[in-house]
Amino acid sequence: KAGVTQTPRYLIKTRGQQVTLSCSPISGHRSVSWYQQTPGQGLQFLFEYFSETQRNKGNFPGRFSGRQFSNSRSEMNVSTLELGDSALYLCASSAGHGNTIYFGEGSWLTVV
Amino acid sequence: GENVEQHPSTLSVQEGDSAVIKCTYSDSASNYFPWYKQELGKGPQLIIDIRSNVGEKKDQRIAVTLNKTAKHFSLHITETQPEDSAVYFCAASKNTDKLIFGTGTRLQVFP
Repeated sequence: KAGVTQTPRYLIKTRGQQVTLSCSPISGHRSVSWYQQTPGQGLQFLFEYFSETQRNKGNFPGRFSGRQFSNSRSEMNVSTLELGDSALYLCASSAGHGNTIYFGEGSWLTVV
Repeated sequence: GENVEQHPSTLSVQEGDSAVIKCTYSDSASNYFPWYKQELGKGPQLIIDIRSNVGEKKDQRIAVTLNKTAKHFSLHITETQPEDSAVYFCAASKNTDKLIFGTGTRLQVFP
């Protein structure tokens, strides 16, 4: 059974640009959540989607957004990139409420 | 707000010794407590989890204990091996909706 798949794995963007990251959850999982990992702030929750609906949102500015498709795949978008957005962005999936959460390998974003 | 404190930040042990990492959570409504291992350049890998209706869970060399009254939970690794070297994160959540992570413990196991 394939795990959580994230693309791209590595990318470099310029300040002011926007970026879209993609996540394919484990087959059968309908909940997808996103986290940002930085050396200074650690692992922080961005948002969670279930059946195409955002159920939960962390304390990030509106430049961070996401969506989920009918096949449970998810994308997150960051607009007007800032240097501080450089981070490892992690996607996680689960079967839903009360179920174990599994992480992907992440997308490394560098903003220059 | 919700918070998870994790100690120690670094831990060095000799191969074969035991390692213990401790976490404290603030939200008494938390009912799910997973532990993740993260190796360099990789995503967090779930190693064990415990729910609030259980006080202890064991899986081979790894065990987790939960004290709901004190809002503490701990990870115990016995007979450590060099391949256990990694960063370990504890987390807490309500119904697995949103994980609140600790700050991580860098474990080094020396041969």
